[in-house]
Amino acid sequence: GQNIDQPTEMTATEGAIVQINCTYQTSGFNGLFWYQQHAGEAPTFLSYNVLDGLEEKGRFSSFLSRSKGYSYLLLKELQMKDSASYLCAVSDYKLSFGAGTTVTVRA
Amino acid sequence: SAVISQKPSRDICQRGTSLTIQCQVDSQVTMMFWYRQQPGQSLTLIATANQGSEATYESGFVIDKFPISRPNLTFSTLTVSNMSPEDSSIYLCSYLSGEAKNIQYFGAGTRLSVL
Repeated sequence: GQNIDQPTEMTATEGAIVQINCTYQTSGFNGLFWYQQHAGEAPTFLSYNVLDGLEEKGRFSSFLSRSKGYSYLLLKELQMKDSASYLCAVSDYKLSFGAGTTVTVRA
Repeated sequence: SAVISQKPSRDICQRGTSLTIQCQVDSQVTMMFWYRQQPGQSLTLIATANQGSEATYESGFVIDKFPISRPNLTFSTLTVSNMSPEDSSIYLCSYLSGEAKNIQYFGAGTRLSVL
């Protein structure tokens, strides 16, 4: 089975940086995904890590350490539109999701 | 990525009735999935919809309650049967991309309320 933990809520100021941590214990691993979900909308794909290290994609970066069962999503230059839930998901060809981290960006 | 559409977007149903949710992808995809997202919670996989064979259900979900069809490589349905208020939830379908990264893309979801 999969056990995936991430903080429930985070608040940050517009223009700042926020780091969302995700720890996991899994029976199988084929990659770690981050999704963004605005209230009432579908989850949208943000990033994917299968090897250790940092993946950068514009304002968003994601890091993975397989030996530690740890990942983080880094959001830089926060904008109001980044207020959303961020879901960490581990794949063993099926996706298992964490409970999600609600990020609130304040002016 | 392919366009995925889901309908209805929302519905209010009476207990004891059934609702069928449709999911359409605008190109052929190998794997489709159905998830449930209960209020304030994350996504839980219900089943993998297999084309031409019976769906593969996750622990806690059974075919009698959530029958699934996958008649071709672009379409799937999920039926929520004999509904109770505990079935009030968002139901989402997704498909697995053919890319090496195996990214799943999601439909907009069906918001179901059972009275």
